[in-house]
Amino acid sequence: EDKVVQSPLSLVVHEGDTVTLNCSYEVTNFRSLLWYKQEKKAPTFLFMLTSSGIEKKSGRLSSILDKKELSSILNITATQTGDSAIYLCAVVLNSGYSTLTFGKGTMLLVSP
Amino acid sequence: DAMVIQNPRYQVTQFGKPVTLSCSQTLNHNVMYWYQQKSSQAPKLLFHYYDKDFNNEADTPDNFQSRRPNTSFCFLDIRSPGLGDAAMYLCATSRDPGQGYTFGSGTRLTVV
Repeated sequence: EDKVVQSPLSLVVHEGDTVTLNCSYEVTNFRSLLWYKQEKKAPTFLFMLTSSGIEKKSGRLSSILDKKELSSILNITATQTGDSAIYLCAVVLNSGYSTLTFGKGTMLLVSP
Repeated sequence: DAMVIQNPRYQVTQFGKPVTLSCSQTLNHNVMYWYQQKSSQAPKLLFHYYDKDFNNEADTPDNFQSRRPNTSFCFLDIRSPGLGDAAMYLCATSRDPGQGYTFGSGTRLTVV
């Protein structure tokens, strides 16, 4: 059975801290890994990562995939209260319809 | 401009009373997905359409049905909602899932 595991499940930090969120996967026929940020609405897309190992960056957020370790990390530097959200990791399989398999998410709370 | 539109944003229905949630898209994407997300859980795929091909997840209850009359619209029908069906229902579309899905803003269903 395909599995996506995120850790930690929840995290509380102070503004300005740097956080690292983890996502590991055990799937057959991996294609890509997606990170989403979810506040009180639908998930919004952050990054797509493939086995190429290329790091993706957007402002204070960055992410990279380690194909040997079958895992990915999402880094957020100089956190702000607006970063408080659930961060979802999802894996896309290389099958005909390529559905997403989500992890349970990491709930991040950034306190002022 | 909203590209994946879900209506209504909030829906209250009575126990056992059929309810329909709608999703429309202006992206002309081939694939449309319905996810169920309960409180503090990751989105769970219910089913998806690849063009007119319907794909049901094995553990999706028979109580849930879907229709896709054309490329732009997809409906989720819950024939006899139970209290356990209260959740956020997310519609998503993709042309190529490797590039990331586009989610609608969701419909939060309450069953009373």
